Amino acid sequence: GENVEQHPSTLSVQEGDSAVIKCTYSDSASNYFPWYKQELGKRPQLIIDIRSNVGEKKDQRIAVTLNKTAKHFSLHITETQPEDSAVYFCADSSASKIIFGSGTRLSIRP
Amino acid sequence: DVKVTQSSRYLVKRTGEKVFLECVQDMDHENMFWYRQDPGLGLRLIYFSYDVKMKEKGDIPEGYSVSREKKERFSLILESASTNQTSMYLCASSSLRSTQYFGPGTRLTVL
Repeated sequence: GENVEQHPSTLSVQEGDSAVIKCTYSDSASNYFPWYKQELGKRPQLIIDIRSNVGEKKDQRIAVTLNKTAKHFSLHITETQPEDSAVYFCADSSASKIIFGSGTRLSIRP
Repeated sequence: DVKVTQSSRYLVKRTGEKVFLECVQDMDHENMFWYRQDPGLGLRLIYFSYDVKMKEKGDIPEGYSVSREKKERFSLILESASTNQTSMYLCASSSLRSTQYFGPGTRLTVL
């Protein structure tokens, strides 16, 4: 069946360094790839998304890259800060259905 | 600003009870979703609805049913709650082919 694999499951980086989270999907019809950030005790919030006609999108310290041929996409956070600590979920969407990755717990070390 | 609300933040029920979780969105979204979130398993889709009175099974529909009588409201029903249904339940809504907006979640404990 369709699935999304997300790696790593946990990630610890020094404050100021970069963090990269990768996802691989299987459905060729997928055309929309959002990333969600979920802080402790709060609901998931969209932080960035990318559509299949674009290879890269950037929003300040956050960027997402998409490789449709290889069916993978990645979240890049530069100059990490303590408030970046959270669980991040990737997702892939086709039609009205969306499939989430299992999440990455990102910790920022001071 | 999109608003998705859920009827309860915390709920404690006993095994065998019938449980209703309500979700309401105010953005006239066509799609609504119910997920459960468990440690190490991420977000798993239980059911979704793309229109009033329409529903589709997600990945883990067993033990659950849903109701969408009005566009803004999507209910998740546990006919006979069991302890393995103890979880965080998240509702979401979206317009067609767009991002999902999540409710605050309901933490359900089944004793």
